[in-house]
Amino acid sequence: NAGVMQNPRHLVRRRGQEARLRCSPMKGHSHVYWYRQLPEEGLKFMVYLQKENIIDESGMPKERFSAEFPKEGPSILRIQQVVRGDSAAYFCASSPLGSMGGYEQYFGPGTRLTVT
Amino acid sequence: DQQVKQNSPSLSVQEGRISILNCDYTNSMFDYFLWYKKYPAEGPTFLISISSIKDKNEDGRFTVFLNKSAKHLSLHIVPSQPGDSAVYFCAANSNSGYALNFGKGTSLLVTP
Repeated sequence: NAGVMQNPRHLVRRRGQEARLRCSPMKGHSHVYWYRQLPEEGLKFMVYLQKENIIDESGMPKERFSAEFPKEGPSILRIQQVVRGDSAAYFCASSPLGSMGGYEQYFGPGTRLTVT
Repeated sequence: DQQVKQNSPSLSVQEGRISILNCDYTNSMFDYFLWYKKYPAEGPTFLISISSIKDKNEDGRFTVFLNKSAKHLSLHIVPSQPGDSAVYFCAANSNSGYALNFGKGTSLLVTP
């Protein structure tokens, strides 16, 4: 299966802990996007990365959230000192080229984060 | 600021009939529109897209119509099948950005 892979699928953290979400893009894709979906809401863009570069992080909260896409390995979305409001589904997507101008983004199955 | 709006949270259609899902947008800079289908506990699956230079795009049972002057698009599914039951998201982006802007989704139920 050459689809977008995300792990873990479910993650439970206590308030104040750190959450690390991983995403491996589709084979041949070098562009990664992270989205968050709160209950009863649509997906909200967080950040767009290429290998070793953050291109657009306009949707990322200014504190506690960070993302990286290293030269080797998956993209990581890190949430430090989680709070209950961080509970959501986090989706990663990838595209073969940057989606400015109309390339589809292909989504992974998501990581459901629950903060207790 | 919800720039993409899906005003019908849910829709129920009989098998074999047409399903019409609607989407409105407010940002005139949007020039590429996509529909995604999502089952519970899964990620969105790309269905069909349309560029702003077109007013219609068809792929099998799925057709998307774009009315730029009204800032409105719709997804038609004909004939509807029980397996089409899912949440459908409308999304848009522009030449100046990478983010997809999503609506809140419409839950489609196709009954036998």
